[in-house]
Amino acid sequence: GESVGLHLPTLSVQEGDNSIINCAYSNSASDYFIWYKQESGKGPQFIIDIRSNMDKRQGQRVTVLLNKTVKHLSLQIAATQPGDSAVYFCAEILGGSQGNLIFGKGTKLSVKP
Amino acid sequence: KAGVTQTPRYLIKTRGQQVTLSCSPISGHRSVSWYQQTPGQGLQFLFEYFSETQRNKGNFPGRFSGRQFSNSRSEMNVSTLELGDSALYLCASMWGAGQETQYFGPGTRLLVL
Repeated sequence: GESVGLHLPTLSVQEGDNSIINCAYSNSASDYFIWYKQESGKGPQFIIDIRSNMDKRQGQRVTVLLNKTVKHLSLQIAATQPGDSAVYFCAEILGGSQGNLIFGKGTKLSVKP
Repeated sequence: KAGVTQTPRYLIKTRGQQVTLSCSPISGHRSVSWYQQTPGQGLQFLFEYFSETQRNKGNFPGRFSGRQFSNSRSEMNVSTLELGDSALYLCASMWGAGQETQYFGPGTRLLVL
């Protein structure tokens, strides 16, 4: 498959463990955030979003935490599976969900069976 | 429903040439956005088209241009190619007003020699 990044931070976890992927965003005025998953040879896929008036949002096996004080986002994946292996990006948007996406550099998650 | 399709998937060009990439959005989606993904800069927004009009533009030189047809299909053109234009070019289509409604295609891998 294609490599989406040669110098990405990598997180390696054991299957069944929980994963935490971190992201620092740049603009304190950003008010909407999205986490994407990108598998090899594919485009980014929406995982979960959160608005700046929230601290936490949960989806299926995923939780996003937002700390506006330190401009930090995290994505928690429960019971990580081999199919979760991918590059994960956070994206920030200024001006609600209709603004332009500004992506973070990404983290490569590798799940060991 | 078929996903976003991009053609070609792989392309090799030489410096100074121009290139045209094509994107067919998901049926019914009227907005098409283009992104450039490189190991060094990550994912960056190029521009967005809606109803054949450029609605939004990122911070790229004028060598990068695009257009959208009445059937919502879009093309992106890069003139006078430079080595640094080597990248994965991603197209995404959107059915609603917010970024959470955006779906990405698999991308076109462009290599400039």
